[in-house]
Amino acid sequence: DTGVSQDPRHKITKRGQNVTFRCDPISEHNRLYWYRQTLGQGPEFLTYFQNEAQLEKSRLLSDRFSAERPKGSFSTLEIQRTEQGDSAMYLCASSPRTSGAYEQYFGPGTRLTVT
Amino acid sequence: KNQVEQSPQSLIILEGKNCTLQCNYTVSPFSNLRWYKQDTGRGPVSLTIMTFSENTKSNGRYTATLDADTKQSSLHITASQLSDSASYICVPGGSQGNLIFGKGTKLSVKP
Repeated sequence: DTGVSQDPRHKITKRGQNVTFRCDPISEHNRLYWYRQTLGQGPEFLTYFQNEAQLEKSRLLSDRFSAERPKGSFSTLEIQRTEQGDSAMYLCASSPRTSGAYEQYFGPGTRLTVT
Repeated sequence: KNQVEQSPQSLIILEGKNCTLQCNYTVSPFSNLRWYKQDTGRGPVSLTIMTFSENTKSNGRYTATLDADTKQSSLHITASQLSDSASYICVPGGSQGNLIFGKGTKLSVKP
């Protein structure tokens, strides 16, 4: 399978714990995006990387959230001191760097439940 | 303020019937518009992507239209199948790659 993969697919954690999610993009895709999606809503942009550089962060990304893409390949999203409001599906997407309208390919998501 | 409004919120149709989903958007700057299909609990899958200069694009039984002047788009599904049951999300995008996702239309196709 050469699509975007995410790990874990599901995570249940207690409030106050830290969690880390991993995303492996499609090979040689320069751009990597993180989104958050709650029930009944469309995905909301969190942040994106061009290679290893984090180029944009949404105001949704509080200081408890941090994302990295150390070698320009896989990425991690860490949430510290989780809150119940963090419960959501966290989606990762990647895209090649092409001119014009380029495609974003989504992974299956990590569903986080904070109890 | 960037906004995307999709209608209807939900729709039930019988297998084999056609349907049209609507999208009105206010996104600036505007560069392109995508339609995604999202099955429950899965990531979105791209159906079509149109630049601002394109009026229509087809992908099998899916046909998207775009009127950049009135800021409206539609997705027409022909001869619906049970597997078309999903949420369909309209996503206008800016030139720098920022995507604004609508809430989606939840389509249920019944036998």
